[in-house]
Amino acid sequence: NAGVMQNPRHLVRRRGQEARLRCSPMKGHSHVYWYRQLPEEGLKFMVYLQKENIIDESGMPKERFSAEFPKEGPSILRIQQVVRGDSAAYFCASSPRTGGAQTQYFGPGTRLLVL
Amino acid sequence: AQRVTQPEKLLSVFKGAPVELKCNYSYSGSPELFWYVQYSRQRLQLLLRHISRESIKGFTADLNKGETSFHLKKPFAQEEDSAMYYCALLSSDTDKLIFGTGTRLQVFP
Repeated sequence: NAGVMQNPRHLVRRRGQEARLRCSPMKGHSHVYWYRQLPEEGLKFMVYLQKENIIDESGMPKERFSAEFPKEGPSILRIQQVVRGDSAAYFCASSPRTGGAQTQYFGPGTRLLVL
Repeated sequence: AQRVTQPEKLLSVFKGAPVELKCNYSYSGSPELFWYVQYSRQRLQLLLRHISRESIKGFTADLNKGETSFHLKKPFAQEEDSAMYYCALLSSDTDKLIFGTGTRLQVFP
């Protein structure tokens, strides 16, 4: 099992461009979580998805951010018209199911730098 | 409100010294708590969770509901323990994790 995969590992964008971050969960996992870590801060929950469904997006900024987890393929976190404040590390985690203390397994993260 | 507090940003000890990384939480109900560790240039890994009551790499953590704490302890620190440590609480709402800001542990030789 290769573990949670994220790509790219590093992404540089200019202000106003779009950023697309991909996450492939562990084999057999159908639950994906995205977290953001701003400099000098802890990880903050953004969105929780199951296949083709957004379960909880309470941590997502209202504008410019969207996420999906299609039936086939990786989960995508999309940031439109990036601004400098979007510079952060974005982590994806997956778990096999909900309920109880299900362990979330984390990917290596994508470090986004907005110039 | 559901919240996790790690009051120390940095904890420095010498090899062989005892270590205690503090974690306090705010939660109504029965909490489910975790410690994650991130070694340099590696991904976040689960270190232990309170329901397992296990010891991993010599670390233990006991849930104290009276003090709303879940401190991480190790009697004799090793250099390879140097890393970022995050305490996390599983939200009752939708299984999202609520993280503390992390404590960097530095173990000097």
